[in-house]
Amino acid sequence: KAGVTQTPRYLIKTRGQQVTLSCSPISGHRSVSWYQQTPGQGLQFLFEYFSETQRNKGNFPGRFSGRQFSNSRSEMNVSTLELGDSALYLCASSFGSNYEQFFGPGTRLTVL
Amino acid sequence: ILNVEQSPQSLHVQEGDSTNFTCSFPSSNFYALHWYRWETAKSPEALFVMTLNGDEKKKGRISATLNTKEGYSYLYIKGSQPEDSATYLCAFLVVRGATNKLIFGTGTLLAVQP
Repeated sequence: KAGVTQTPRYLIKTRGQQVTLSCSPISGHRSVSWYQQTPGQGLQFLFEYFSETQRNKGNFPGRFSGRQFSNSRSEMNVSTLELGDSALYLCASSFGSNYEQFFGPGTRLTVL
Repeated sequence: ILNVEQSPQSLHVQEGDSTNFTCSFPSSNFYALHWYRWETAKSPEALFVMTLNGDEKKKGRISATLNTKEGYSYLYIKGSQPEDSATYLCAFLVVRGATNKLIFGTGTLLAVQP
């Protein structure tokens, strides 16, 4: 069974730009969650999508948004990038939040 | 503000040593606690999902216990090997109405010297 895939793996952007990250979950998983990891911080929950609906949301500004398609693939968008958005962005798929999460390899975003 | 705390922050042990670390979480409204292992340059990988007070789970040399009444879980590694070197994360499932999310601790970094 193929694992969770994320594209791109690395990305360099400048302040003010916007970026879209993609996540393909494990086949059969309808839940996709997104997390941000910055140095010294644990994984910070961004949001969860389930069956194309945002089901849960973390404490991030509105510049962070996402969506999920009918095939469960998910995208995350960050508009008006700030230096502090530089981080590793992980997505995880599962049968739901109370089930084990299967993580992708992450996208390393650097904002200059 | 809901806190999930892990201690110690880092741990250096010799090969063959047994070790344990702690995850502390709110003792009210418990639903589940997850443990993950995150090796460098890899993705976090689930070790255990624990849901019942008194739960004990084991996978090879790694085991975990859960005390929901006092709000802590221990992860034990027996006879540590260099391949056990990783960051170990716990995550507490918060359920509020129809919404739920995992709150992760900052992890315990384990380094096992051969």
